[in-house]
Amino acid sequence: EVQLVESGGGLVQPGSSLKVSCVASGFTFSSYVMHWFRQAPENGIEWLAYINTDSSSTHYAETVKGRFTISRDNAKNTVDMQLSSLRSEDTAMYFCAREKYYYDGTFDYWGQGVMVTVSS
Amino acid sequence: DTVLTQSPALAVSPGERVTISCRASESVSTLMHWYQQKPGQQPKLLIYLASNLESGVPARFSGSGSGTDFTLTIDPVEADDTATYYCQQSWNDPLTFGSGTKLEIK
Repeated sequence: EVQLVESGGGLVQPGSSLKVSCVASGFTFSSYVMHWFRQAPENGIEWLAYINTDSSSTHYAETVKGRFTISRDNAKNTVDMQLSSLRSEDTAMYFCAREKYYYDGTFDYWGQGVMVTVSS
Repeated sequence: DTVLTQSPALAVSPGERVTISCRASESVSTLMHWYQQKPGQQPKLLIYLASNLESGVPARFSGSGSGTDFTLTIDPVEADDTATYYCQQSWNDPLTFGSGTKLEIK
């Protein structure tokens, strides 16, 4: 069974950093492009970043470029997102997701999400 | 960015047919996908590449469209279909989602 499980969320102060992680199981993790998304309370879904299968290519949304960094460890089946210079508007549920087919932009499995709250 | 416009809410009775629309601000070819999200849960893929039914999704769900106008149809609607439905395009960078259509089953 394919599973994606996020961890690492919490309450942090503005300007601080946090790493959210996603561990995958039930599929050949190294064969899939992985993405991070977020959803602010009562809001829609925002794409944040992707990383390709061997980490040679990453791409970010303009809203987080330079502040967030995506990485993966195929040996550990994990994909992480380092969140830096956090702002109140970064408060959201963060989801990792698997891209169904290589670069088709469809996401067939999502984690349950991890909440990040940025507040003083 | 490509803006996807959806109606905010719909209410239908069980057994009826419902169509949820999504209009893109520019062409997305057929790279449009539909997700269902229930409160407190992650999004679930229903339809990919405009009209392909995801494995395990009931055949009551179908999708159509190309270019800028897309439709998700549920026929017949069941009580368990209460959820918010999002369209998402992957033709233009960055990937974008619609704001969601909240479906209420009367």
